Amino acid sequence: QVQLVESGGGLVKPGGSLRLSCAASGFTFSGYYMSWIRQAPGKGLEWVSYISGSGSTIYNSDSVRGRFTISRDNAKNSLYLQMETLRAEDTAMYYCVRVDDFWSGRKFDYWGQGTLVIVSS
Amino acid sequence: DIQMTQSPSSLSASVGDRVTITCRANQSIDIYLNWYQQRPGKAPKLLIYAASSLQSGVPSRFSGSGSGTDFTLTISTVQPEDFATYYCQQTYSTPLTFGGGTKVEIK
Repeated sequence: QVQLVESGGGLVKPGGSLRLSCAASGFTFSGYYMSWIRQAPGKGLEWVSYISGSGSTIYNSDSVRGRFTISRDNAKNSLYLQMETLRAEDTAMYYCVRVDDFWSGRKFDYWGQGTLVIVSS
Repeated sequence: DIQMTQSPSSLSASVGDRVTITCRANQSIDIYLNWYQQRPGKAPKLLIYAASSLQSGVPSRFSGSGSGTDFTLTISTVQPEDFATYYCQQTYSTPLTFGGGTKVEIK
């Protein structure tokens, strides 16, 4: 069965960096776009970034462009989010999500359990 | 950016009630609209994709409709496990955007 397991979250000071990882299993990882979506405590969902199966195409939200970098290692079935220059407003649960049917609708069909990032001094 | 507006932001319902949640986009998004359910402390779960297609494994009491700018999620007969927060999401163009959520509570 499809499993997505995030790791790497934690407490970091404003201006600091963090790298999130997502270990995928149960499907052909390289065949799917993958995405990061975040949710601030008590708030709604916010799309952050996604990456094509080959890693050649990337889309980012304006709120993280230039600070966050999505990447993947298909040999390791892993997705990453390198986060730099972190701000208090980046505090959130970060979800790793598989994207199915990218060219015909984009189904965000499997979600990990999330990893919590807290940016605070 | 495409703005997604959900209504109501919360509602109270009894088990067995019919519940309808609406989602409006500020420009046409064709049928590029997904619905998710999120229970407290859990990750969101895909219910409906492409406005009206039921995701595999999701009970048939959930249905979606609409196209263009106006969409609806309906729960035909609310069950105890359906009390949760529901989000719509447009996947028509980046940045992908979500509605603000609708919390369905027990009356």
